[in-house]
Amino acid sequence: DIQMTQSPSSLAASVGDRVTITCRASQGINNYLAWFQQKPGKAPKSLIYAASSLQSGVPSKFSGSGSGTDFTLTISSLQPEDFATYYCQQYKSYPFTFGPGTKVDIK
Amino acid sequence: EVQLVESGGGLVQPGGSLRLSCAASGFTFSDHYMDWVRQAPGKGLEWVGRIRNKANSYTTEYAASVKGRFTISRDDSKSSLYLQMNSLKTEDTAVYYCTRSGVDTTPYYFDYWGQGTLVTVSS
Repeated sequence: DIQMTQSPSSLAASVGDRVTITCRASQGINNYLAWFQQKPGKAPKSLIYAASSLQSGVPSKFSGSGSGTDFTLTISSLQPEDFATYYCQQYKSYPFTFGPGTKVDIK
Repeated sequence: EVQLVESGGGLVQPGGSLRLSCAASGFTFSDHYMDWVRQAPGKGLEWVGRIRNKANSYTTEYAASVKGRFTISRDDSKSSLYLQMNSLKTEDTAVYYCTRSGVDTTPYYFDYWGQGTLVTVSS
């Protein structure tokens, strides 16, 4: 199975900050990497697919990069509605696996 | 608008069975692969399994943790996805999400998610 790790596990940031979350796969997954946002009590929402493609309707403050084993999600200017938990996920091979999540809190 | 609405969750005893449903609308359900993903209380996301479309013979894939106990099926005439869960364990307690995926063998992500249904396995 492909193991996904994320760092940091949590962070505290202020409105307007630039935030970067890192995701690493235990083996190469090309660009078959997605990012999801989840708010408490809600279903996950797709943000990024194919490592760097923005899901329709998602604001351009979200961006993704990387290929192979190392990936990043960047939020260019954090807004109150962005405080949530973010998960990466590989869909290159079965079983599909998620990272443990990064919780973004208000500083 | 794509909508996925799960139902069928509830409280069940260990060793029991439960069948979840997911009603899809707003897209051509029969074209898409569909997946189930679960989330234990306070924990992360875990992929449960997939069913492919008719063009790919409705074949399925499962996570090792549920293989042999869970069965995914679909009824394209009703735009519905199902998850039959047997021999339930306390560790199956989770919110179960229905998700939409791609239309062929090209790797594709979970682009739409339902709101989830809670399954609690407890005596």
